[in-house]
Amino acid sequence: RKEVEQDPGPFNVPEGATVAFNCTYSNSASQSFFWYRQDCRKEPKLLMSVYSSGNEDGRFTAQLNRASQYISLLIRDSKLSDSATYLCVVGYTGGFKTIFGAGTRLFVKA
Amino acid sequence: DAMVIQNPRYQVTQFGKPVTLSCSQTLNHNVMYWYQQKSSQAPKLLFHYYDKDFNNEADTPDNFQSRRPNTSFCFLDIRSPGLGDAAMYLCATSRDNPSWGALQETQYFGPGTRLLVL
Repeated sequence: RKEVEQDPGPFNVPEGATVAFNCTYSNSASQSFFWYRQDCRKEPKLLMSVYSSGNEDGRFTAQLNRASQYISLLIRDSKLSDSATYLCVVGYTGGFKTIFGAGTRLFVKA
Repeated sequence: DAMVIQNPRYQVTQFGKPVTLSCSQTLNHNVMYWYQQKSSQAPKLLFHYYDKDFNNEADTPDNFQSRRPNTSFCFLDIRSPGLGDAAMYLCATSRDNPSWGALQETQYFGPGTRLLVL
């Protein structure tokens, strides 16, 4: 079993749709959680850090469920520019070990 | 602008010919990372430096080495590249703030170096 697993993609949605991604992690020692966005052939860029209380940034909402060891990302009112790969990232206690999920590809269509 | 710079952006090498990839940062971050990312796969952490303290991932092949001569620069050396080493190599940096306890800070990535092995 992979340490960080994400929904298999791709997700194909029309503009304006709401789409949700899930990510599960296996190590309960995980302390830090992030969503990164990666465009084709580009570097990952931080989308959101995920806090225990959940957090929202405009159209994006992230949730953390420690008991079930999963993280979610909700995108409302999808835009064409949201088309990208979304990477779930988990950081571990006591060091800088960082595990990336394989990513979920999102295609937003006009 | 403060940033993470990687050179070269594209590198072609021959099977078995040593190659060095470089990364520099103007963010003054004390942690630097090297990742390998193959097509349609997750970035895989190879190693990181916390200041001058080198931390190798257990499954990183010995073929991969790294140097960090100062805060700003970090190098990835591939001693004998094989065909399976063709990938995007990403450098990233982050701060460490002891007051945050175990929490990690955001990583800032460079644009990557795409390595092709012939």
